[in-house]
Amino acid sequence: NAGVTQTPKFRVLKTGQSMTLLCAQDMNHEYMYWYRQDPGMGLRLIHYSVGEGTTAKGEVPDGYNVSRLKKQNFLLGLESAAPSQTSVYFCASSYSLLSDQPQHFGDGTRLSIL
Amino acid sequence: SQKIEQNSEALNIQEGKTATLTCNYTNYSPAYLQWYRQDPGRGPVFLLLIRENEKEKRKERLKVTFDTTLKQSLFHITASQPADSATYLCALDSIGNSGGSNYKLTFGKGTLLTVNP
Repeated sequence: NAGVTQTPKFRVLKTGQSMTLLCAQDMNHEYMYWYRQDPGMGLRLIHYSVGEGTTAKGEVPDGYNVSRLKKQNFLLGLESAAPSQTSVYFCASSYSLLSDQPQHFGDGTRLSIL
Repeated sequence: SQKIEQNSEALNIQEGKTATLTCNYTNYSPAYLQWYRQDPGRGPVFLLLIRENEKEKRKERLKVTFDTTLKQSLFHITASQPADSATYLCALDSIGNSGGSNYKLTFGKGTLLTVNP
């Protein structure tokens, strides 16, 4: 019963490098989300997806791209990493887009950009 | 602008006492309010959801109230235990303000609860 799995758990990048964070869920949820969590800022929505092949911008989308080629996977890409993108990234999924459904979170990816 | 405030960054209480955490919001008209628990190094875990037409919701030792007039939710943990020590987050939907195409569940910054034995 894995729920939401994020890989990798930790990563250190140099400024300008690119990388992809992977999120996989086994609950057959239509909706998936990427958040970043910074000290004193709380969780902020980067991008989200309402189904396979569809994505939408959240609150802080600049510098990130996403793809949802398969229903169970949601990828977050950093094309040219910047120190301001140092953060903990959380993926979540839910049965419904409506907020009467809980979101299920992974345990995060801790990303440091030097 | 829309704002969510959780009453304090940290709350320390003695084991056995009732912990009360506050979530205040402005410029929102949420239909739902959710509470999550987050342990260090882990993702948030859903605890309770309360609807705007519900005054109170209970689950075991947890109780949530929702006052849309005061624009406030209170989260209570009765008979607190050291294992209840964690950060607690409230989250509100903004779908009522900006429509379904701009869905967003907005989280507060959280309150770190420490229950001392």
